[in-house]
Amino acid sequence: NAGVTQTPKFRVLKTGQSMTLLCAQDMNHEYMYWYRQDPGMGLRLIHYSVGEGTTAKGEVPDGYNVSRLKKQNFLLGLESAAPSQTSVYFCASSWTSRTTGELFFGEGSRLTVL
Amino acid sequence: GEDVEQSLFLSVREGDSSVINCTYTDSSSTYLYWYKQEPGAGLQLLTYIFSNMDMKQDQRLTVLLNKKDKHLSLRIADTQTGDSAIYFCAESSLLSGGYNKLIFGAGTRLAVHP
Repeated sequence: NAGVTQTPKFRVLKTGQSMTLLCAQDMNHEYMYWYRQDPGMGLRLIHYSVGEGTTAKGEVPDGYNVSRLKKQNFLLGLESAAPSQTSVYFCASSWTSRTTGELFFGEGSRLTVL
Repeated sequence: GEDVEQSLFLSVREGDSSVINCTYTDSSSTYLYWYKQEPGAGLQLLTYIFSNMDMKQDQRLTVLLNKKDKHLSLRIADTQTGDSAIYFCAESSLLSGGYNKLIFGAGTRLAVHP
């Protein structure tokens, strides 16, 4: 089973460039999330989606946009990358957010902005 | 505000017990979680405890919850080299709309040496 797949796994950008990270899940999960992981800090929620066609802001949404046009895909976009967005990005999905809250994570996408 | 704190490093000898500690702030959290992250991988749910429990045991893992002090711990008995990883404590917190989100600590890096 593929689970949660993120592409690309690595990317180097110059300041001001744009890019999109793709997250795909094959578990028919309703909920999907984008987190960023920085050294010495916990995972911080960027945006999340509670179903196809819906998105909402998390703790640190500035500088990012998302779309959930298909249930299985959740895209994270950076319109004008900044060095502060250098991080490891994790996508996660869950069946529901109202019970035990188990999140299934992708392997991460390491982004460097020069 | 919501915050989860844990120490950043722990080093133990193979065969000893490991105890990873965590403090949290949201007293309304329904569930508290331990996730494990192995090198180059996403996080995986290790175990969780419902907030009305004091202890949960699962093979080599023991979770202790002290709600009064908002303290959570994870004990790994007979620690093995394969247990070397980063362990994240997380609490559930309500998003607008009644959905849950997870607040993660910064992670404790467990190093197991012979």
